[in-house]
Amino acid sequence: AQSVTQLDSHVSVSEGTPVLLRCNYSSSYSPSLFWYVQHPNKGLQLLLKYTSAATLVKGINGFEAEFKKSETSFHLTKPSAHMSDAAEYFCVVSDTGNQFYFGTGTSLTVIP
Amino acid sequence: EAGVAQSPRYKIIEKRQSVAFWCNPISGHATLYWYQQILGQGPKLLIQFQNNGVVDDSQLPKDRFSAERLKGVDSTLKIQPAKLEDSAVYLCASSLRGGPAGEQYFGPGTRLTVT
Repeated sequence: AQSVTQLDSHVSVSEGTPVLLRCNYSSSYSPSLFWYVQHPNKGLQLLLKYTSAATLVKGINGFEAEFKKSETSFHLTKPSAHMSDAAEYFCVVSDTGNQFYFGTGTSLTVIP
Repeated sequence: EAGVAQSPRYKIIEKRQSVAFWCNPISGHATLYWYQQILGQGPKLLIQFQNNGVVDDSQLPKDRFSAERLKGVDSTLKIQPAKLEDSAVYLCASSLRGGPAGEQYFGPGTRLTVT
C-alpha cells in the first residue's frame, strides 16, 4: 500500500532564508514522486517530479527535491524564499500510475 | 493554450439532493481525473479515464457517485443523493498521456457545500 506523510502542516520562514518542506512515503514498488503547489484561489501546479532518473530533481521557481530511497524521503528545498512562495504544498506518490496519493499538505508562510 | 475548465465554481445544495459537475480538459489530453479535496486534506483521486474508458475507480463511492466521459473529451461527475460529508472541492485534472510520469494539469475546482 502507498502513503505519503508530510511531516509539517505549517512552515514559516523569513524572506531570503532557505525553505525545507519534508515528505516521507511508503510504496511497494519504485515510485514516481511529485510536488504540487496550490496558491489561494488558483489550481494546483506541478513544481517537479521524480520518475527513476536523477535523484536530485530541479523544478520551477528555484525549487528542487532529492529522492532518498534509503530514507524513503523526498524533501522539497529552495535556497532563498520569496514572498510569492507563500502557498500550500502537496507531496504526491504513485507507482502504477492508476492511483495518486496526496499528502495532507504543508502551508508555507513567508515573513517579510 | 486554454487550461482545464470546470463549472460551476460554487454549488450549495441540501442533503439528499443531486448535483452534477462538468469538466473540459485541455485539448488533446487523453487522460482525465476527478479528485475530491475535503477541507484540510489533500486531494483524493476518485476516478481516472483514459479516453472514454475507466482506468481506475476504486475510490469512487459507487452507491452515490457516478462519472462519465462519453466522447472521450469532457466529463461529468454526479452525486445522487448528496450527504453532508460530500462537502468538498471537486477537482478535475487532465494529462497528455497519463501513467505515473504524466504531468497533471488541474482546473480551478468546484466548491460544493451540502447543508
